[in-house]
Amino acid sequence: TQLLEQSPQFLSIQEGENLTVYCNSSSVFSSLQWYRQEPGEGPVLLVTVVTGGEVKKLKRLTFQFGDARKDSSLHITAAQPGDTGLYLCAGGPAFGGSQGNLIFGKGTKLSVKP
Amino acid sequence: NAGVTQTPKFRILKIGQSMTLQCTQDMNHNYMYWYRQDPGMGLKLIYYSVGAGITDKGEVPNGYNVSRSTTEDFPLRLELAAPSQTSVYFCASIILPDYNEQFFGPGTRLTVL
Repeated sequence: TQLLEQSPQFLSIQEGENLTVYCNSSSVFSSLQWYRQEPGEGPVLLVTVVTGGEVKKLKRLTFQFGDARKDSSLHITAAQPGDTGLYLCAGGPAFGGSQGNLIFGKGTKLSVKP
Repeated sequence: NAGVTQTPKFRILKIGQSMTLQCTQDMNHNYMYWYRQDPGMGLKLIYYSVGAGITDKGEVPNGYNVSRSTTEDFPLRLELAAPSQTSVYFCASIILPDYNEQFFGPGTRLTVL
């Protein structure tokens, strides 16, 4: 069974601080997605990374896919209260027929205080 | 486009009751999914469908049933509700597998007492 471990589970920081969220596995994934979920809503895709070593930037958010495609990180620079939410990583299995099924991590709940 | 819509938004059931959670998408996506989300547990796949008339079990299918008679609709049926089915349920859809964004509905919060 493929698992994705996210850390930390909770993170409470002040506005302006930097943070990194990690998503790790012993399994290889074909792709890695990061979603953000706000209370009472469904997850919304932030980014998809597909190549080992790939780095993508989305304004103050930087996403990296590990060289071996087993792990990923999300770094936020100068966090703002609007970044508050649940961050979920999700991996696409590397082997076997793909039905678009994703393996989700348990999430990191981020709170950014003004 | 409305995207993925789910009804109801909230529901309280008594043990043993049954209900259907509705999911509709207007994006002509072939692939649709049902997840449940429990606090601190991420999203678990219940059932999925790769097209009308085709459904398959996910990681946690026990106690649930689905059908896919049209491309647009993918209802989830709970036949004998149990407290363990208290959760938030999300429906999602995708146009193609691999690397593509899953579009999620707003969720249904279900409590079984």
